[in-house]
Amino acid sequence: SQTIHQWPATLVQPVGSPLSLECTVEGTSNPNLYWYRQAAGRGLQLLFYSVGIGQISSEVPQNLSASRPQDRQFILSSKKLLLSDSGFYLCAWSRGLGSTDTQYFGPGTRLTVL
Amino acid sequence: AQTVTQSQPEMSVQEAETVTLSCTYDTSESDYYLFWYKQPPSRQMILVIRQEAYKQQNATENRFSVNFQKAAKSFSLKISDSQLGDAAMYFCAYRGNQFYFGTGTSLTVIP
Repeated sequence: SQTIHQWPATLVQPVGSPLSLECTVEGTSNPNLYWYRQAAGRGLQLLFYSVGIGQISSEVPQNLSASRPQDRQFILSSKKLLLSDSGFYLCAWSRGLGSTDTQYFGPGTRLTVL
Repeated sequence: AQTVTQSQPEMSVQEAETVTLSCTYDTSESDYYLFWYKQPPSRQMILVIRQEAYKQQNATENRFSVNFQKAAKSFSLKISDSQLGDAAMYFCAYRGNQFYFGTGTSLTVIP
């Protein structure tokens, strides 16, 4: 069966510090991968998605970036965090980009920027 | 552009009773899927139920069922025999070319 992992589970970082959140998927190959952010009391905002190694599409311009160095690894990064980057970050995977594909979510990372 | 609207920020239901959560969406696509996700206090998103737009029959998963009205672009979730473990944030989602989520409905189950 497929599983998706995210770490760290929680993170507290000062403004201006770098960020690296990791997401890995097991039990499937060539998944589509997604990064979402959920601000407090808000819905999900799609940040990035990837259909393959090295292929990243950005949905929202901001100081975050994403990379996919391996087939089942998706990394969310920032060189300098802003207070507004605080939130709950969810990674998800799906088998394809078509309408039939359900997204399955990881446990999430709670990021607090002070 | 596709949008998903959940007009009920908060709902409450008595344990063992039935509650309906509302969702409407806007799209010009003909082929799409609709989902309800549950997000408990642990914050992990859990798929509850999904509906294919081309199917007229409403999807059902145990105590969870949907009322899908394609012409009205409405997709409500009915939870029967509510349990304390059903307390969570519920998100309606649309899947066409991309995923779009509503802002969520917080469900409280009263013992």
